[in-house]
Amino acid sequence: DGGITQSPKYLFRKEGQNVTLSCEQNLNHDAMYWYRQDPGQGLRLIYYSQIVNDFQKGDIAEGYSVSREKKESFPLTVTSAQKNPTAFYLCASKETGTGNTIYFGEGSWLTVV
Amino acid sequence: GQNIDQPTEMTATEGAIVQINCTYQTSGFNGLFWYQQHAGEAPTFLSYNVLDGLEEKGRFSSFLSRSKGYSYLLLKELQMKDSASYLCAVRDSTDSWGKLQFGAGTQVVVTP
Repeated sequence: DGGITQSPKYLFRKEGQNVTLSCEQNLNHDAMYWYRQDPGQGLRLIYYSQIVNDFQKGDIAEGYSVSREKKESFPLTVTSAQKNPTAFYLCASKETGTGNTIYFGEGSWLTVV
Repeated sequence: GQNIDQPTEMTATEGAIVQINCTYQTSGFNGLFWYQQHAGEAPTFLSYNVLDGLEEKGRFSSFLSRSKGYSYLLLKELQMKDSASYLCAVRDSTDSWGKLQFGAGTQVVVTP
């Protein structure tokens, strides 16, 4: 089946550690996005990418890094510089064209312990 | 930038109708989306409006007025499974990447 796969679903991180969240899509979408959601709040954009080997900072990029080496993959690394990383992370993708809908993966819960 | 406002929470009875309003202020406009999100799950697409007027999809309808910077999502014949957060999102026409800016969401609670 086509879709967006995020892993892991649940992740615990110790203070000072970097962690990487995986996002893979087989929809042949060009654009991919990472959003962060905190309890009771809307989605905030971390990073986005329109094409391979190119990506742009969103509204809250500090403490995060991404790569786009393949069209299908857009992993997000939460670095130790991110001071409050506990949140629900959502990966999304979209076909080229501004009229097209963004579709989301199932999300990853990250908790700092 | 964009400012997107929607009520925090609404409560309605099973079988009733609820209208969720969304107002936005943008430097440009290229479409408004509504998503449904159940607790702990990913948002799922409900509707898309880019022109003024009403779009109907079964029990759900969405309305847009670009001149007023206003949209609403209408949920009819409410069912218990409709209890969820409803997110309003706007695409800025100056944005060639097509990314969306989201409101904080409206939590709809359906009671028996």
